Amino acid sequence: EVQLVESGGDLIQPGGSLRLSCAASGFTVSSSYMSWVRQAPGKGLEWVSIIYSDGDTYYTDSVKGRFTMSRDNSRNTLYLQMNSLRVDDTAVYYCARFWGHWGQGTLVTVSS
Amino acid sequence: DTVMTQTPLSLSVTPGQTASISCKASQSLLQTDGKSYLYWFVQKPGQSPQLLVHESSSRFSGVPDRFSGSGSGTDFTLKISRVEAEDVGIYHCMQGIHRPYTFGQGTKLEIK
Repeated sequence: EVQLVESGGDLIQPGGSLRLSCAASGFTVSSSYMSWVRQAPGKGLEWVSIIYSDGDTYYTDSVKGRFTMSRDNSRNTLYLQMNSLRVDDTAVYYCARFWGHWGQGTLVTVSS
Repeated sequence: DTVMTQTPLSLSVTPGQTASISCKASQSLLQTDGKSYLYWFVQKPGQSPQLLVHESSSRFSGVPDRFSGSGSGTDFTLKISRVEAEDVGIYHCMQGIHRPYTFGQGTKLEIK
């Protein structure tokens, strides 16, 4: 059974850093394309980033240069390193595999 | 960026009736393989998004056949036949061909 479990969300001050994790089971992260999608409180869904099986990564413009998506094949885990966090990065962050499987989400709150 | 416009933004349907949601893309989602990379998700209250339909008209595994997707290019429709109380939620369309991938605003389905 495919399972995705996000963790790492927290309350953090503007300008701070956070690393989100997405632990996968039931499949191999390195053979899938995986995305991060976020949802600000009361708002719609916003695609953040994607990593393909070949390791290529792409980001939405608002996070380019601040966020880095990566994976650890030995741990079968996906990461999102978030630096220079802004108030408008506040959201629930979901990881998703092939769009068909999503985690439960982890809440990132950026506030002073 | 590709703008995804969903209509209506809210819908109230009597159980047993049919609900229809439209999603229009600002540019074609048709790939050279003949598929349109349009996805439909439902987000039930307090839950993560769940994939209903991929590539415009293919139901995801386990999705009841009451849900059907259609369309090609820029115009797409999700139909929910014989609406049930458990169908309550927000329905999102997403294009997965032009980065950044983009979502519609979401359509809130309520039951009368």
